[in-house]
Amino acid sequence: GQQVMQIPQYQHVQEGEDFTTYCNSSTTLSNIQWYKQRPGGHPVFLIQLVKSGEVKKQKRLTFQFGEAKKNSSLHITATQTTDVGTYFCASTASGTYKYIFGTGTRLKVLA
Amino acid sequence: DTEVTQTPKHLVMGMTNKKSLKCEQHMGHRAMYWYKQKAKKPPELMFVYSYEKLSINESVPSRFSPECPNSSLLNLHLHALQPEDSALYLCASSQDGPAGGESEAFFGQGTRLTVV
Repeated sequence: GQQVMQIPQYQHVQEGEDFTTYCNSSTTLSNIQWYKQRPGGHPVFLIQLVKSGEVKKQKRLTFQFGEAKKNSSLHITATQTTDVGTYFCASTASGTYKYIFGTGTRLKVLA
Repeated sequence: DTEVTQTPKHLVMGMTNKKSLKCEQHMGHRAMYWYKQKAKKPPELMFVYSYEKLSINESVPSRFSPECPNSSLLNLHLHALQPEDSALYLCASSQDGPAGGESEAFFGQGTRLTVV
C-alpha cells in the first residue's frame, strides 16, 4: 500500500536558522499536501502541490514537488519560535478520499 | 464559516460505557473523516463518508461505529473500548472532487479520549 516517510523525525534549530523536511513515497503521488500541527493542536492545511516539479512559496516557507512525483520538501528560511510544531505531508491514493499522512517531522526552535 | 466543531473536547470513559463523539461542519463539504492520533504519531485514517455514505472503513474494530445523520454531521459511537483506544480523535471534512481527495482537509480540534 501507499507509504509516505518523512525525514528527519525531529529537528532542533536555533532561531534564525533554516529548516528542511523531506517527504518520500514508494509510489507515484497524485498530489502532496502539507499540514502543520502545533503542540496540543490539530493539523492545519498549509499548501497543496499537484504538478511535477512544482514550487510554491508562502512568505518564509518554500514547498517543492519532485519531478517524479515521489518526493516533496518543505523549507523554512530563518525559523521563528512560532514555527514550532510537527509538519506532516499527506497525499490521497489516486481517485479516492483516502488521505494518508507521512510520519511527520517535529520542529523545535530554540530562542 | 471554515470551522469543524467537535464535542466533547475531553472524554473519560470506562470500558463498559457507551459514548458518542460529535462533529459538525457548515462548509457544504460532502466528504467527512474520522482519524485517530496517538501521541507523537501521524493521524491514522479510520472512516470516510462521501455524500453521507460510508466509503472507506480502514478495518476498524466494531467497537467504533460511525454514523452520518446528514451532510453536516458526523458521529462516532463508542462501546466497550479498551485502554489502548485512548487517543486524540480528529474529525475532518473536505470538498468533493471528481476524483476524490483533491482539496484540503479541514480538521476539528479533536476529542481527547481516555479509556479507564
